[in-house]
Amino acid sequence: GIQVEQSPPDLILQEGANSTLRCNFSDSVNNLQWFHQNPWGQLINLFYIPSGTKQNGRLSATTVATERYSLLYISSSQTTDSGVYFCAAEDGKTSYDKVIFGPGTSLSVIP
Amino acid sequence: DAGVTQSPTHLIKTRGQQVTLRCSPISGHKSVSWYQQVLGQGPQFIFQYYEKEERGRGNFPDRFSARQFPNYSSELNVNALLLGDSALYLCASRLSSYEQYFGPGTRLTVT
Repeated sequence: GIQVEQSPPDLILQEGANSTLRCNFSDSVNNLQWFHQNPWGQLINLFYIPSGTKQNGRLSATTVATERYSLLYISSSQTTDSGVYFCAAEDGKTSYDKVIFGPGTSLSVIP
Repeated sequence: DAGVTQSPTHLIKTRGQQVTLRCSPISGHKSVSWYQQVLGQGPQFIFQYYEKEERGRGNFPDRFSARQFPNYSSELNVNALLLGDSALYLCASRLSSYEQYFGPGTRLTVT
């Protein structure tokens, strides 16, 4: 099955700074999602982005499926952006919706 | 519209006991998946159910079982609990092959 890697594993930012989180996957995927997990464990949908670029406020994401990576951009970071960011890729070679999560990037935004 | 709901929120069990976790998908979503998230890791796929049939299973022992009901709600059962089963159990629903939406999770502690 596919492997999903994320980098960096940990990130500390000053409020107002920009950052780029990366997700690499080892094989073809049917789709890719980015999530933010809050301190209570809730996974919040950020982007459903099997390919191309999307933007939502201060966040944007780009997936280049042919090169097997996706990027999440956070601009003008705020303390509320703190938490763990996961990318999740759906294995394109299974007959069912097998979604593999990366290990996550833990982001801390300090005032 | 209500999101994915899960019950109970928290649960404490003793080794060797059995536990049942419940999930109600978003209205109209026929696919339900279960994930286990151990502290410090990304969620790991356990099962996917679609139209009451098991479509896929992750690398989990037979102590883990699930079912889906005619109203598309689902139960996850774990028998003969081990300390290592302590985790956040997440349920997700989706419409066809689009993005998944997660519930708030059930935090299981095995003592």
